[in-house]
Amino acid sequence: GQQVMQIPQYQHVQEGEDFTTYCNSSTTLSNIQWYKQRPGGHPVFLIQLVKSGEVKKQKRLTFQFGEAKKNSSLHITATQTTDVGTYFCAGTNQAGTALIFGKGTTLSVSS
Amino acid sequence: DGGITQSPKYLFRKEGQNVTLSCEQNLNHDAMYWYRQDPGQGLRLIYYSQIVNDFQKGDIAEGYSVSREKKESFPLTVTSAQKNPTAFYLCASSPTGTSGLLSYNEQFFGPGTRLTVL
Repeated sequence: GQQVMQIPQYQHVQEGEDFTTYCNSSTTLSNIQWYKQRPGGHPVFLIQLVKSGEVKKQKRLTFQFGEAKKNSSLHITATQTTDVGTYFCAGTNQAGTALIFGKGTTLSVSS
Repeated sequence: DGGITQSPKYLFRKEGQNVTLSCEQNLNHDAMYWYRQDPGQGLRLIYYSQIVNDFQKGDIAEGYSVSREKKESFPLTVTSAQKNPTAFYLCASSPTGTSGLLSYNEQFFGPGTRLTVL
């Protein structure tokens, strides 16, 4: 079945270092969404990418959607302790009715 | 104050008992979803509903049941047939956008219910 894979599963960085998580799909995606879940919390929507090759920025966060619309990445520049949490990507299923979530990348940051 | 509420936050049940998790939203969203989250497994879709009185199975529907009698409410029943029910359950909703595809819209999540079956 349709799958969305995310790597790495865990990443630890020193505060100020950069961080990247990658998302890959077995099929072409119509769109991709990114969510952040803080420890003990619930997922919160960050952004959606729809166009091939699209790049969007939110302050220190840069989101990319691959040219073939089968992969995406989230890059955080100069991480802060507030960036701690699990980042999920999610792509639309083939019926267009629901999202398929990756397993997430859990980021920890030490100061 | 608009949002999604789930109750209770923590729930304990004995093995073999059915249990119903509550999910209510006042965002006027058409679509509602139930996910299960286990450590290292991400979010797995249990059931979803695009409109009142209609719902579809997700990837892991076995052992679960839902109803959608009102737009605001989408309760999930974890039945005794669910082999490993201990998990964190998340409810979400999303609006219907102009694209007509619900998955093009962001999902708003409730705070979750942590179910432990003893």
